[in-house]
Amino acid sequence: GDSVTQMEGPVTLSEEAFLTINCMYTATGYPSLFWYVQYPGEGLQLLLKATKADDKGSNKGFEATYRKETTSFHLEKGSVQVSDSAVYFCALTNPNTGNQFYFGTGTSLTVIP
Amino acid sequence: NAGVMQNPRHLVRRRGQEARLRCSPMKGHSHVYWYRQLPEEGLKFMVYLQKENIIDESGMPKERFSAEFPKEGPSILRIQQVVRGDSAAYFCASSQDASGVYEQYFGPGTRLTVT
Repeated sequence: GDSVTQMEGPVTLSEEAFLTINCMYTATGYPSLFWYVQYPGEGLQLLLKATKADDKGSNKGFEATYRKETTSFHLEKGSVQVSDSAVYFCALTNPNTGNQFYFGTGTSLTVIP
Repeated sequence: NAGVMQNPRHLVRRRGQEARLRCSPMKGHSHVYWYRQLPEEGLKFMVYLQKENIIDESGMPKERFSAEFPKEGPSILRIQQVVRGDSAAYFCASSQDASGVYEQYFGPGTRLTVT
């Protein structure tokens, strides 16, 4: 069935470091891919999305490219800030198999000054 | 446009009691989803509802859990005879359609603690 496998954390980076969080997916057909962010004590907020192969989603300096050939949707940011400390979830939804979201287990990021 | 509303934000129940979690979707959204997040884990889908209909409850435990989304009022997730293992954060999300292209907007969650 559909699933998302996400890089395990926690990840600790210094401010201004480069960030990569890996995400691999398994799905039939053409799923839509998402990155959500969860700050402590809060719900999930959409960070970015891509709905077809080779699309690049971007927001707040974060980027991810939908790679169908490698079934990946890795999250990147060139220079992280302390305020980026949160848990990041990769997710997919697939019209072929229903409308639910499949989430990865989340990657906790801590950025230290 | 108000976001997805959930209440209560925190709920404490003793074992054997009932827990009722409420979710009001965003204005104009008629698709509601419930997810459960156990400590240190990702979100797991529970149930997908449209107004007055359960569309997919494949993630819902077979016993003690039920959900509804009436024609008027919020969606309700009901857990009867709670046990300690039900302690988790329960998130509701809504979307404007079922295409899967539009993102789901999440509420702030209800954190259930069973003592």
